Amino acid sequence: EAGVTQSPTHLIKTRGQQATLRCSPISGHTSVYWYQQALGLGLQFLLWYDEGEERNRGNFPPRFSGRQFPNYSSELNVNALELEDSALYLCASSLVAGGSGNTIYFGEGSWLTVV
Amino acid sequence: QKEVEQDPGPLSVPEGAIVSLNCTYSNSAFQYFMWYRQYSRKGPELLMYTYSSGNKEDGRFTAQVDKSSKYISLFIRDSQPSDSATYLCAMMMDTGRRALTFGSGTRLQVQP
Repeated sequence: EAGVTQSPTHLIKTRGQQATLRCSPISGHTSVYWYQQALGLGLQFLLWYDEGEERNRGNFPPRFSGRQFPNYSSELNVNALELEDSALYLCASSLVAGGSGNTIYFGEGSWLTVV
Repeated sequence: QKEVEQDPGPLSVPEGAIVSLNCTYSNSAFQYFMWYRQYSRKGPELLMYTYSSGNKEDGRFTAQVDKSSKYISLFIRDSQPSDSATYLCAMMMDTGRRALTFGSGTRLQVQP
């Protein structure tokens, strides 16, 4: 069974540009999460989507946005890129319900470099 | 003070040793506890998942949660060089917000 898949693997953008990152969850998972892992800062929660709706948002500015499509895949958009946006962006997925459905599985990430 | 504290290491042990990794936390609302392993420049891989207090064993790995002390542990028996990685503890509340709070990670090196 395929895990969480992300694209692109690496992305280089110029300050002020926009970046779009894509994620496909594990088959059967309806929830998608985005995390940022910047050097020295650890993993920080960005966004949670479920059934096409944004359910929760971390402490990030509005230029970080995304959406979830009817097939449960998701995309993360980062507008007006700043140098400090350079990080590994991780997508994760899970079932929604409680119990073991709370286990969250991560993809390999997309490396974003802003120059 | 961070919500989840984890010693960054590095922790260096000889092959075959028992490894103990720990996290402490301050928020008593955390109910779900996970351990992830992350190899360099890769995504985190889920190792163990525990709900509330107790122990859970899976092969060479044992996870312990002591909610009264706000302390969680991961034990690795018969450690192997392939276990060399960063280990992240993560926690989640049962509020429906579903945001994991991570420790900073402990870097483990198992020497052959």
